[in-house]
Amino acid sequence: GAVVSQHPSRVICKSGTSVKIECRSLDFQATTMFWYRQFPKQSLMLMATSNEGSKATYEQGVEKDKFLINHASLTLSTLTVTSAHPEDSSFYICSARSWGRNTEAFFGQGTRLTVV
Amino acid sequence: RKEVEQDPGPFNVPEGATVAFNCTYSNSASQSFFWYRQDCRKEPKLLMSVYSSGNEDGRFTAQLNRASQYISLLIRDSKLSDSATYLCVVNRGNQFYFGTGTSLTVIP
Repeated sequence: GAVVSQHPSRVICKSGTSVKIECRSLDFQATTMFWYRQFPKQSLMLMATSNEGSKATYEQGVEKDKFLINHASLTLSTLTVTSAHPEDSSFYICSARSWGRNTEAFFGQGTRLTVV
Repeated sequence: RKEVEQDPGPFNVPEGATVAFNCTYSNSASQSFFWYRQDCRKEPKLLMSVYSSGNEDGRFTAQLNRASQYISLLIRDSKLSDSATYLCVVNRGNQFYFGTGTSLTVIP
């Protein structure tokens, strides 16, 4: 299957700082990337969908000014958690798909964010 | 109504058992269907796509019933390594909809 690389895999930051998470499709062009958040023992919650070169579409209840998403190229999307607070601590996962390939989505390895 | 509904389990089965998971989806316009596997603290990984004709991959068999909007996954001869959460995923347009996942523990 296709490879999606997410970095960093784990980050601990102080409350009030910003954290950037990168998601790269390594062997295909990702026309669409998705960002999810997952709390312990819960399912993935879609935060936003981004298409290359356009603004992300955020799900209801997700603050776009707090979770900045950039999808400037067909192989890279970034999620920046601004002014992080302890309640932002979670597992963040990106996924990517391309219309030129099978319709399944491929997931990055996830980023475990802990805000202290 | 939720887009995708799954029995969260947990399912605790002995090694060698056969176990079946079910999933229903609410929107008849849904186009593609998948089962993903997620291990604890890891990302979901595609287990198999699900086709109307049914498909099999080794010990795993997936079925789709579009009329009933129902998807199933059958695991035969369960292994300890099958212990994980199994996610039913439905695609429509540019969106993926996830079930809450079914937890499986295979016991020695």
